[in-house]
Amino acid sequence: DAGVIQSPRHEVTEMGQEVTLRCKPISGHNSLFWYRQTMMRGLELLIYFNNNVPIDDSGMPEDRFSAKMPNASFSTLKIQPSEPRDSAVYFCASSSRGGYGYTFGSGTRLTVV
Amino acid sequence: KNQVEQSPQSLIILEGKNCTLQCNYTVSPFSNLRWYKQDTGRGPVSLTIMTFSENTKSNGRYTATLDADTKQSSLHITASQLSDSASYICVVSARSGGGADGLTFGKGTHLIIQP
Repeated sequence: DAGVIQSPRHEVTEMGQEVTLRCKPISGHNSLFWYRQTMMRGLELLIYFNNNVPIDDSGMPEDRFSAKMPNASFSTLKIQPSEPRDSAVYFCASSSRGGYGYTFGSGTRLTVV
Repeated sequence: KNQVEQSPQSLIILEGKNCTLQCNYTVSPFSNLRWYKQDTGRGPVSLTIMTFSENTKSNGRYTATLDADTKQSSLHITASQLSDSASYICVVSARSGGGADGLTFGKGTHLIIQP
């Protein structure tokens, strides 16, 4: 298995632009998680899905952030409009039932200038 | 409030030496504790997972210990190699199976191995 696949690996955008991050979970995993990592705050859970349904989005910082999972093999995290303080590394992770096989992707490094 | 504290924040040691990283937690009810290694520019990769009944688990040169009574864990690295340079993150689960809403992350220990 190729693991959790995220794209792009790096994204540089101007303030105010829309940014879309993509994630393909491991086949057969039914839970998907989006995290944000910064030096100051470490890893923070933004939102997670079970069977494509959002379960907890309390970690989403503002209405500018939205996430979708239209099917079991694809999810997006969108920021609109982006701001410099959104600059961070965004990770996607997936797991099977009960949290087994919890695996992170390689992350997307977002820089908003 | 569930918390995971790691120490030291950063550590520099010479290649070939041993080191021990610490993790203290106040997560309840405890389910399991995981140590992850995160190389620069990569996602975290699981090293060990320990449940309440396990007090030690090894993965090659990495040995994790768990004291559920004192709510402390350590990660011992033996005969360090340059490739061990990374951040090590302690994650504690408060729900059986480790669903995301039960995971509490430490901020990690940044380890540098010098030749």
